[in-house]
Amino acid sequence: KNEVEQSPQNLTAQEGEFITINCSYSVGISALHWLQQHPGGGIVSLFMLSSGKKKHGRLIATINIQEKHSSLHITASHPRDSAVYICAVRGRGSRLTFGEGTQLTVNP
Amino acid sequence: GAGVSQSPSNKVTEKGKDVELRCDPISGHTALYWYRQSLGQGLEFLIYFQGNSAPDKSGLPSDRFSAERTGGSVSTLTIQRTQQEDSAVYLCASSLWESGIETQYFGPGTRLLVL
Repeated sequence: KNEVEQSPQNLTAQEGEFITINCSYSVGISALHWLQQHPGGGIVSLFMLSSGKKKHGRLIATINIQEKHSSLHITASHPRDSAVYICAVRGRGSRLTFGEGTQLTVNP
Repeated sequence: GAGVSQSPSNKVTEKGKDVELRCDPISGHTALYWYRQSLGQGLEFLIYFQGNSAPDKSGLPSDRFSAERTGGSVSTLTIQRTQQEDSAVYLCASSLWESGIETQYFGPGTRLLVL
């Protein structure tokens, strides 16, 4: 079992839909990151969370430390949101452990 | 402003040769990471540098891999006696901490192909 598991692996949505991507982890963490990898390969950091909820534009990230679970939500999805979304957790040190990613496709 | 740059963007080498990959982080960022992404695989942590502290090398897959960061800025990742399984995209990221929050800025990566 991977230390970081994401679901779903693939997600197809229609423009305007509300999207949720889930991340579960099995180790103690000091922080959790959400990253976005564009079709061309470029990676952008979206959020770093250690508790609660964060919002940036149409993106919302939440984390429940007790349940070892985080969700990334996208409201009013758009085709330009199509990308791979990656969850990564930081343990006690500096090392990040990554999930396999969720491939999101938003159709117009 | 300038982001994280990496060179070369692509590298093809023969099995057994040594390769050196370069990362220029964003000026002023004290933390620097190297990651690897094999084809169809997730990201894999390799090594972390933070200021003048000893680097965290816990992710390096074998002693053929080494990295250094000179003057707290430019970093080089060296792979000796390359193997075909080393083929991957090697990504560098530098990070900024503000109010307890870290934001990593990724370079475009070096695509390495070992024949």
